[in-house]
Amino acid sequence: TQLLEQSPQFLSIQEGENLTVYCNSSSVFSSLQWYRQEPGEGPVLLVTVVTGGEVKKLKRLTFQFGDARKDSSLHITAAQPGDTGLYLCAVEYGNKLVFGAGTILRVKS
Amino acid sequence: NAGVTQTPKFQVLKTGQSMTLQCAQDMNHNSMYWYRQDPGMGLRLIYYSASEGTTDKGEVPNGYNVSRLNKREFSLRLESAAPSQTSVYFCASSDSWTSGVLDQYFGPGTRLLVL
Repeated sequence: TQLLEQSPQFLSIQEGENLTVYCNSSSVFSSLQWYRQEPGEGPVLLVTVVTGGEVKKLKRLTFQFGDARKDSSLHITAAQPGDTGLYLCAVEYGNKLVFGAGTILRVKS
Repeated sequence: NAGVTQTPKFQVLKTGQSMTLQCAQDMNHNSMYWYRQDPGMGLRLIYYSASEGTTDKGEVPNGYNVSRLNKREFSLRLESAAPSQTSVYFCASSDSWTSGVLDQYFGPGTRLLVL
């Protein structure tokens, strides 16, 4: 059983649509991070959330940390082809980062 | 600043061959990591080095060895490559002392195929 479960595994949408991806766990965490990985590149940190219920916005991306600090969501408004990539959530566990399997997002123009 | 650099970018090996993957960072980070990424399994930690002079096993260390050559460089060695080691390998670095949270910076990856 993975520590972090991400859903959906794959999402293909048209440009301009909205979408939400999820990162869930049965464990409580002090913080949670979201990374985006473009094809052929390494992951790049998007945001870190540390407070239960926290909402952070990064242009068209909205990140929320669950009240109980067990889950998180990433909402993208008016998706663009440049949003295409693998979205990974990660948590600090034993002084190391543990990653979810990711959501592959494809935005078609 | 180049950030985290990795060499080579691509490599094809035959079963039983050995090779070393190189990683260097110019951000003066204390901690460095090696991950492998396989479809549907996310990033799995192979080895890490919390500081210069120390190394520790991660989730999937079997078949690998590492060397923290100095603060900048952290290498990963496959002594006898196996087809199961076909993967994309990422090096990362972080400095948890400044942020209090592990903000990791990744290299571009090495794509390894073992035949």
